[in-house]
Amino acid sequence: QKEVEQNSGPLSVPEGAIASLNCTYSDRGSQSFFWYRQYSGKSPELIMFIYSNGDKEDGRFTAQLNKASQYVSLLIRDSQPSDSATYLCAVSNAGGTSYGKLTFGQGTILTVHP
Amino acid sequence: DTGVSQNPRHKITKRGQNVTFRCDPISEHNRLYWYRQTLGQGPEFLTYFQNEAQLEKSRLLSDRFSAERPKGSFSTLEIQRTEQGDSAMYLCASSLGVLRGKDYGYTFGSGTRLTVV
Repeated sequence: QKEVEQNSGPLSVPEGAIASLNCTYSDRGSQSFFWYRQYSGKSPELIMFIYSNGDKEDGRFTAQLNKASQYVSLLIRDSQPSDSATYLCAVSNAGGTSYGKLTFGQGTILTVHP
Repeated sequence: DTGVSQNPRHKITKRGQNVTFRCDPISEHNRLYWYRQTLGQGPEFLTYFQNEAQLEKSRLLSDRFSAERPKGSFSTLEIQRTEQGDSAMYLCASSLGVLRGKDYGYTFGSGTRLTVV
């Protein structure tokens, strides 16, 4: 079992729709959760982080965390063609032996078509 | 410049040659990480430093890979006797680490794309 798994893509949504990206993790000691966006040929860019169960909203982005289910998701409302990218879920077990090291999922490719 | 700087951006080398990459982190960040990313995969952890101390190294990392961070500032990653399987994007990231139990994540550099021919 991979440590961090993301829903298989690619995911294609029409402009204006809600894109839903999912991620599960295996380490129950995980404390911090991140979503990175990566455009083709570029490096990952941090867009959201969440520490507590529930929802966290930032503009068109909402991160959701359920530690009991070991599940993290990212919702993108009013999707735009510029949101087309690979989205990476990353998990940190800060406080454990790998203090502050991020483990990444394989990424989900999102395409927003006009 | 307030970002993480990596150079070179691209490196093409012949199999068997040695290559060295450099990373300059954000100045106030005491943690520095190296990751490797191949097409269609997420970044894979290689090693990390807190200041000048190398605190963790991936078990997947062969002895041909070595990293240093003299004086806790910039870092270098060297690959000796390169193989075609080393072709990848090598990403450097820096962070403040963990503050009051919360990890604030990384800032990545632009990466060095290595092609071994």
